[in-house]
Amino acid sequence: DGGITQSPKYLFRKEGQNVTLSCEQNLNHDAMYWYRQDPGQGLRLIYYSQIVNDFQKGDIAEGYSVSREKKESFPLTVTSAQKNPTAFYLCASSWTLEGYEQYFGPGTRLTVT
Amino acid sequence: KQEVTQIPAALSVPEGENLVLNCSFTDSAIYNLQWFRQDPGKGLTSLLLIQSSQREQTSGRLNASLDKSSGRSTLYIAASQPGDSATYLCAVKTSYDKVIFGPGTSLSVIP
Repeated sequence: DGGITQSPKYLFRKEGQNVTLSCEQNLNHDAMYWYRQDPGQGLRLIYYSQIVNDFQKGDIAEGYSVSREKKESFPLTVTSAQKNPTAFYLCASSWTLEGYEQYFGPGTRLTVT
Repeated sequence: KQEVTQIPAALSVPEGENLVLNCSFTDSAIYNLQWFRQDPGKGLTSLLLIQSSQREQTSGRLNASLDKSSGRSTLYIAASQPGDSATYLCAVKTSYDKVIFGPGTSLSVIP
């Protein structure tokens, strides 16, 4: 089955700890994205990557970091510098950045206390 | 600056009704518009993608239209079913690397 997997589904961390969220796709897509979803708000773009070893900041990149060492993998690290890290995080991919459908993973709910 | 709105925020209809969900955007210069469905606590499922040169797309009981000049898209759901209950989001691609999402419409179909 082709698709996007995110793990874990739920993640709990103490304030001050860095945490890494996993995103893997087997769709052979070049472009990958990380979004954050908060109650009552639309999705907001954190980072995106259009090709291996390249990534760009989105609208709310502060306190986050990413890597793209393999085409199929785009992990997101939530650092202790992120002021309000508790949220629902969604990974997505598309064939390229331009004009194609985005496909989403099932999401990771991160709770930081 | 592109803004995307969806009205109403919530909608409740009896099973079997046809219904229309609305998506409005402020800048007509778009690449495409995509409709998604999101079930509680889940990721987004793509429903329909309309390119800027297209007027509508259809998939099963779903039909999405796009009117760039008025900054509007509608998602028409025919013969609604309880399984259609979910939040529906629209997303507007404004440049090669920018997608703006609306806040969504929460749909409840009552058996």
